[in-house]
Formats: sequence, structure tokens, C-alpha cells
Amino acid sequence: SAVISQKPSRDICQRGTSLTIQCQVDSQVTMMFWYRQQPGQSLTLIATANQGSEATYESGFVIDKFPISRPNLTFSTLTVSNMSPEDSSIYLCSVVMGMNTEAFFGQGTRLTVV
Amino acid sequence: QKEVEQNSGPLSVPEGAIASLNCTYSDRGSQSFFWYRQYSGKSPELIMSIYSNGDKEDGRFTAQLNKASQYVSLLIRDSQPSDSATYLCAVNSQNTGRRALTFGSGTRLQVQP
Repeated sequence: SAVISQKPSRDICQRGTSLTIQCQVDSQVTMMFWYRQQPGQSLTLIATANQGSEATYESGFVIDKFPISRPNLTFSTLTVSNMSPEDSSIYLCSVVMGMNTEAFFGQGTRLTVV
Repeated sequence: QKEVEQNSGPLSVPEGAIASLNCTYSDRGSQSFFWYRQYSGKSPELIMSIYSNGDKEDGRFTAQLNKASQYVSLLIRDSQPSDSATYLCAVNSQNTGRRALTFGSGTRLQVQP
């Protein structure tokens, strides 16, 4: 498995502001994903981060709210824009290596919007 | 109908007992199945993967898959208090071209000392 560094690990933000979360992997990976885990809930896929092109968003998630970048095979960012308290959640970076489908997760970012 | 269903629990077992966690899925095209363990405040940790019908054992863990019944389970033998966590079932359907996993809501396991 890869070493996945996600930061910040937690943040408290004012509503209306934006936060960018970074995900750095120590080796090249095939796929990178961003998930959200709301309090007491399971993981919901936000989008697939595509290298060098626009991310593929799941139903209910839009680029204006969650812009994603993936400039190379080891790094991606997720921005949570114009935040509201409803965005308070844990955001998780996930990677898949090679042709496998086993997914590994970063440590997560616990976001609280006040 | 949810794509991946799990009983939310909590499932409470005494130390040393076998814990049995169950999961059903709706997509018959699903090909890869995973169990993740998530401690409170931590990110999910992969503990088992299974791709074909039958049993797969790894230490105290056994994953069981029955594609005809669209059912996957996880058995934890000799349960320890340190096994207390939420267990997430995840499924992938590669034939859709989508490599991301779909997760169940998780089953909270409590192992009583």
C-alpha cells in the first residue's frame, strides 16, 4: 500500500470561506478519489480526481462547490467553497494502485464550519 | 433500495466469541468486495478483500462471498476488545468502468471484556 498524507488534519472555518485540502501519495497511483463522511454516516463519493483533466463528479456534487485538481499522479486537492455549517464533515482522500480495486485512505480532514 | 446494506448494530459479543458481520448488495455486476475497519475518529483501514465465491481466511478474519445470494460476510474469531470498531462493507462494479467503491453504512461492533 502507499503512504498517503492528507492535510490539514482538522480545521475550524467561518461560513462563506473556502478550504483547500491536500492529498500527497508517496508513489504513483492509478486512481484518486475524494469521499465525504458526515457525522455518524458512511462514506459518500464526491468525485474521481482525473490527472490533467476535470474531475468526474457524483450526483449531488458540483465543481463550483468542490473544485478538484490533480496535476500529477501523486497529488490532488479538494476545495470546499463558500462553506456553510452543512459542510461540516470528514473529507477523505482515497487511492487505488495499479489494476487493483483495493482502496486506501488518507488520515482524513475533519472540517467544522461555524 | 440501498446499493450496499448492513445492519447498523451495535453488535455486542463477549471477548473470545465469534463476531459475524453481514452485508448484502444490489448490483449483480459487482466483482470486488472489501471489509474496512474504522475506529472512532480514524480513517477506514482495509482488512479483507474477496473476489470469488467461497471463504477467504486471514488470521482471525474470514470473509465469505456468495454472489448468487448477493451476500458477503466477515467473521472475526476470538474477538478482542481492540476489535471494537465500525466495520464497513464496500463493493466495486468494474464492468461499469467505475473504480470507486460503494460503501455500506457500517456495523458497529462492541467486544465486551
